[in-house]
Amino acid sequence: GDSVTQTEGPVTLSEGTSLTVNCSYETKQYPTLFWYVQYPGEGPQLLFKVPKANEKGSNRGFEATYNKEATSFHLQKASVQESDSAVYYCALSEGSGTYQRFGTGTKLQVVP
Amino acid sequence: DTTVKQNPRYKLARVGKPVNLICSQTMNHDTMYWYQKKPNQAPKLLLFYYDKILNREADTFEKFQSSRPNNSFCSLYIGSAGLEYSAMYLCASSSPGGFEQYFGPGTRLTVL
Repeated sequence: GDSVTQTEGPVTLSEGTSLTVNCSYETKQYPTLFWYVQYPGEGPQLLFKVPKANEKGSNRGFEATYNKEATSFHLQKASVQESDSAVYYCALSEGSGTYQRFGTGTKLQVVP
Repeated sequence: DTTVKQNPRYKLARVGKPVNLICSQTMNHDTMYWYQKKPNQAPKLLLFYYDKILNREADTFEKFQSSRPNNSFCSLYIGSAGLEYSAMYLCASSSPGGFEQYFGPGTRLTVL
């Protein structure tokens, strides 16, 4: 079946440093890939999605490239801020997109 | 309004007692989902309604029930709670072919 594997957390970074959260996936079909972000006390919300291989998604300074050959979708940000502290989920959806498979989440804490 | 509401936010239940969790959305989404989230684990899809059709995951088929009396509301019912049911329960909804899921803040269930 489908699976999503991402960097184990927690990850602690200083403000202004760069972030990479690894995400690898397994699927037999052609998925749409997602990154969700969950702030404390809230549910996950979509950061961005990429439906096509070799394309890049981005939002709020975060970006990820759908690498079909490597089956990866790593999340990156050049310079993190304290407000980026949250849990980040990688997810995939196949076909009609009726349901999504999530990774375990990576908790990011950014310190001043 | 793109919010999904969940009630209650916190629920304490006794072993062997029933639990009923409520979710609502006003986006006229045709699909509503329930996930179970435990620490260090990925959100696990329990079931989803596509319109009036209920789809339950095979490994949780007998543990969870659900109803959707109208497009806006969806409940998750546990007939007899066990300690293993302690978790965060996330409700989400999505529009046809929209792929993006909108999540509620979750209900934290503690079974004692």
